Amino acid sequence: EAGVVQSPRYKIIEKKQPVAFWCNPISGHNTLYWYRQNLGQGPELLIRYENEEAVDDSQLPKDRFSAERLKGVDSTLKIQPAELGDSAVYLCASSRGLARTDTQYFGPGTRLTVL
Amino acid sequence: AQSVTQPDIHITVSEGASLELRCNYSYGATPYLFWYVQSPGQGLQLLLKYFSGDTLVQGIKGFEAEFKRSQSSFNLRKPSVHWSDAAEYFCAVGEYTGGFKTIFGAGTRLFVKA
Repeated sequence: EAGVVQSPRYKIIEKKQPVAFWCNPISGHNTLYWYRQNLGQGPELLIRYENEEAVDDSQLPKDRFSAERLKGVDSTLKIQPAELGDSAVYLCASSRGLARTDTQYFGPGTRLTVL
Repeated sequence: AQSVTQPDIHITVSEGASLELRCNYSYGATPYLFWYVQSPGQGLQLLLKYFSGDTLVQGIKGFEAEFKRSQSSFNLRKPSVHWSDAAEYFCAVGEYTGGFKTIFGAGTRLFVKA
């Protein structure tokens, strides 16, 4: 079975520019997560989707970050405008559901560098 | 709020030696605990998890972890380390609040020397 796919793998932009990340979860997985991993830190949840619905976006900086999951499959995370502090690895994960027994499977991440 | 502490930022062990990575958590009820591994340029992979029952949990790649409620710990162990085990290891605790949320520690980087 194919894993979680993310693109691009790397992105370098100048501050104030927009950027978007794409995630394709494992087929049949209803729950999708976006995490941000700063250098030397563990991942921190930004937003969690159950199908098309964002069920937890409390940690998403809504002034510049947005996300969507159309048709409950692929998802896009956008930053506009990017700031220097947004440099991080953005990880997407998926699971069958929201139950505690549902393992999260992570993609390889997108490493964002903001200059 | 729940939290996870991994006291060691990095650890170096010789190939073939035993390994123990420390993890302490803060949670009021019975925790859901996880260990993940992240190799360079890769996403996180689940090594093992503890929800209830036997406090010694077996995982993939020869890893095991022991839940000790009295010490609020969930340390990861491996009897003999291989060079391919060099990676970043994350301990995590899960909470169920209308859906499952995972809180990660800062990670421990493992170096393996020949």
